[in-house]
Amino acid sequence: DSGVTQTPKHLITATGQRVTLRCSPRSGDLSVYWYQQSLDQGLQFLIQYYNGEERAKGNILERFSAQQFPDLHSELNLSSLELGDSALYFCASSQRGERTDTQYFGPGTRLTVL
Amino acid sequence: GENVEQHPSTLSVQEGDSAVIKCTYSDSASNYFPWYKQELGKGPQLIIDIRSNVGEKKDQRIAVTLNKTAKHFSLHITETQPEDSAVYFCAASRYKLVFGAGTILRVKS
Repeated sequence: DSGVTQTPKHLITATGQRVTLRCSPRSGDLSVYWYQQSLDQGLQFLIQYYNGEERAKGNILERFSAQQFPDLHSELNLSSLELGDSALYFCASSQRGERTDTQYFGPGTRLTVL
Repeated sequence: GENVEQHPSTLSVQEGDSAVIKCTYSDSASNYFPWYKQELGKGPQLIIDIRSNVGEKKDQRIAVTLNKTAKHFSLHITETQPEDSAVYFCAASRYKLVFGAGTILRVKS
């Protein structure tokens, strides 16, 4: 158990809908990262937050957004969902948000868009 | 941007044998190289990492070597056990973690 929690574990929804994925980092970690894992694209970095502020952006679509709250939990919002958004979404956390920080991954949320 | 290539894509070994997975990276400024193990239905779990000021690191049956000149790094697992069966990912970081495509390791007992 990495100490990173994610909810829900599974999510099934329809095209065009909006969903919110939630992540709680390990105790003491200030930075949260979101990743998407799909069969064709592999594990792709989406976005990073550090202590409530956006720190780095990866291959995140404009339909997706995220935020980190004062209690350090984070939410990833996915809107206007398409079939291709079906994937595993992982949250990771690290202490300082530095590029050489060890990142600890949560168990993931499996999103299925029908 | 950074590109990480990982080989082989699948690897089958007999229990007790060694397994080696190799990765190459493109950005010479990358300075952090972690390895993750992912079991079915779970998130990636860090098994070992190495930073660019070190050439080799070992932790029990697992070792990682880094050749910065050639821009490649490798994972070595000795005395493999059935519970080592999983997908292994390498990654390289300059500004962000970029992952390889993964290696499915099967340890046959």
